[in-house]
Amino acid sequence: GESVGLHLPTLSVQEGDNSIINCAYSNSASDYFIWYKQESGKGPQFIIDIRSNMDKRQGQRVTVLLNKTVKHLSLQIAATQPGDSAVYFCAEMPYSSASKIIFGSGTRLSIRP
Amino acid sequence: DVKVTQSSRYLVKRTGEKVFLECVQDMDHENMFWYRQDPGLGLRLIYFSYDVKMKEKGDIPEGYSVSREKKERFSLILESASTNQTSMYLCASSLDRTGRIGYTFGSGTRLTVV
Repeated sequence: GESVGLHLPTLSVQEGDNSIINCAYSNSASDYFIWYKQESGKGPQFIIDIRSNMDKRQGQRVTVLLNKTVKHLSLQIAATQPGDSAVYFCAEMPYSSASKIIFGSGTRLSIRP
Repeated sequence: DVKVTQSSRYLVKRTGEKVFLECVQDMDHENMFWYRQDPGLGLRLIYFSYDVKMKEKGDIPEGYSVSREKKERFSLILESASTNQTSMYLCASSLDRTGRIGYTFGSGTRLTVV
């Protein structure tokens, strides 16, 4: 079946460096994508979203890039901080229905001091 | 801010017990969802509800049921808990059925069935 996947299950980054977390999706009908951050023992928190008519969207210290040609999504975190340690996962929406959201399994980001 | 509150953070139950997981949201959302989250598998939808008294099966409803007697409350029921239902359970609610407006998760309930 179609699924959202991540290239790397774990990522270790030096504090202050930029982090890049990748996500591959396979449903070409997906027109909306979300990145979530999930800290240990907590529920997922919305970070940033992007619609398929865009290829880049920026937030505070975060940027999401969408490459529809290769069905690839990435989350860039600038100047990574200890508080960024968490599992990050993407979600895609191939249909306008919350019951059809496809969630990736996640990448664990750890920060080296 | 929308708050989605799950009543228990951690639960330990015995095999065969009937288990209730409660979820309450305070923003008058009509749409509520129950997921389980397992390592390497992502979130999988168990049941959802678009209105009071209404329920729809998600992708993995077997072994579960739900109750939506009030708009703000959506309960997940494990009729007879089994060890393979050990998981993190996440509740979510959203303002609209697309999930693109106000989609918010609770903090999760980590259930261990022994």
